[in-house]
Amino acid sequence: GQQVMQIPQYQHVQEGEDFTTYCNSSTTLSNIQWYKQRPGGHPVFLIQLVKSGEVKKQKRLTFQFGEAKKNSSLHITATQTTDVGTYFCAAGGSNYKLTFGKGTLLTVNP
Amino acid sequence: NAGVTQTPKFQVLKTGQSMTLQCAQDMNHEYMSWYRQDPGMGLRLIHYSVGAGITDQGEVPNGYNVSRSTTEDFPLRLLSAAPSQTSVYFCASSYKGRLDEQFFGPGTRLTVL
Repeated sequence: GQQVMQIPQYQHVQEGEDFTTYCNSSTTLSNIQWYKQRPGGHPVFLIQLVKSGEVKKQKRLTFQFGEAKKNSSLHITATQTTDVGTYFCAAGGSNYKLTFGKGTLLTVNP
Repeated sequence: NAGVTQTPKFQVLKTGQSMTLQCAQDMNHEYMSWYRQDPGMGLRLIHYSVGAGITDQGEVPNGYNVSRSTTEDFPLRLLSAAPSQTSVYFCASSYKGRLDEQFFGPGTRLTVL
């Protein structure tokens, strides 16, 4: 089945530093979604990317979809303690399923 | 709207017992799915449904059954619980399946002894 690799698995930053997580697939994707899960909570949708080379921004968060639609990234500028959590990518392929990456756990030192 | 609801929040089972995890949504979503989350493994798809009466297997379906008799409900049945099924289970729904935002329930934390 479709596999999605997400790196890094963990990232610890000082408040104010930037953070990036990457998602890679060996196959061309129809779409990619990003979710955030706070500790003890459930995943919450952040954004969806559909077009090749697409870039979307939400305040300090920047999401990119690769030109070949095989990779994506989430970049957070000037992290805050409220950014703590696990960030997941979820990739859509040729079937009805969404395949989630294993996630990147972000911790922020105030 | 209540969104996606799951019951129970916590459950402890003995090996071999059976139980049903309940999931309901009030958003009239056609697509519903079950995931399990284990440390370091992300979210793995167990079963999904694209509409009432239609279900299909995900990545890790063994040991689980589902049915979709109504649009609103999508219960997950554990036939004979095993310690390997200790996990957090999330139900999700969306309007257009994989091309749409997934709304997740609060989860059920299951321990099998």
